[in-house]
Amino acid sequence: DIQMTQSPSSLSASVGDRVTITCRASQTLGSFLNWYQQKSGKAPDLLIYAASSLQTGVPSRFSGSGSGTDFTLTISSLQPEDFASYYCQQSRSHPYTFGQGTKLEIK
Amino acid sequence: EVQLVESGGDLVQPGGSLRLSCAASGFTFSHYWMTWVRQAPGKGLEWVANIKQDGSEKKYVDSVKGRFTISRDNAQNSLYLQMNSLTAEDTAVYYCARPALIGEVLDYWGQGTLVTVS
Repeated sequence: DIQMTQSPSSLSASVGDRVTITCRASQTLGSFLNWYQQKSGKAPDLLIYAASSLQTGVPSRFSGSGSGTDFTLTISSLQPEDFASYYCQQSRSHPYTFGQGTKLEIK
Repeated sequence: EVQLVESGGDLVQPGGSLRLSCAASGFTFSHYWMTWVRQAPGKGLEWVANIKQDGSEKKYVDSVKGRFTISRDNAQNSLYLQMNSLTAEDTAVYYCARPALIGEVLDYWGQGTLVTVS
């Protein structure tokens, strides 16, 4: 199975900050990497697919990059509604594993 | 509007069984693979299983193989997860999710249903 490792596990930041979350895969994924946002008590929402494609309706302050084994999710200027948990997921091969998550908290 | 509505979650004793359902609407259900994802309390997301459009292919995470069975009824626009030999480690919110037409990109999720094994 492909193991996905996110860092950091938690992060404190302020409104307006630029934030980067990284995700590393144990095997090459090409661009088969997706990012999800999950707010407390809610189902996840798709943010980024195929490493860098923005899902329809997602604000442009979110961006994704990377290929192979190393990927990043960047939020260019944090807004109050962005404080949530973020998960990467590989869609290269079964089982389609998730990273352990990054909890983004208000500083 | 795409909607996925899970049901069937409950409190069950260890060793027991439970069947989850997911009612789909707002899209042509038979055109899509479908997926179950779970989340233990306070933990991260775990991909559980998926099923091809016609039910001919099914994939599972190792931890549920031989105990869980994913199935679907395209005439009823419904997805199911039969869970047997449940243990405390199966306690989680179970989400039904729809992958995009190409690739396991989960673009729509249900609200989840809670399974508690105790």
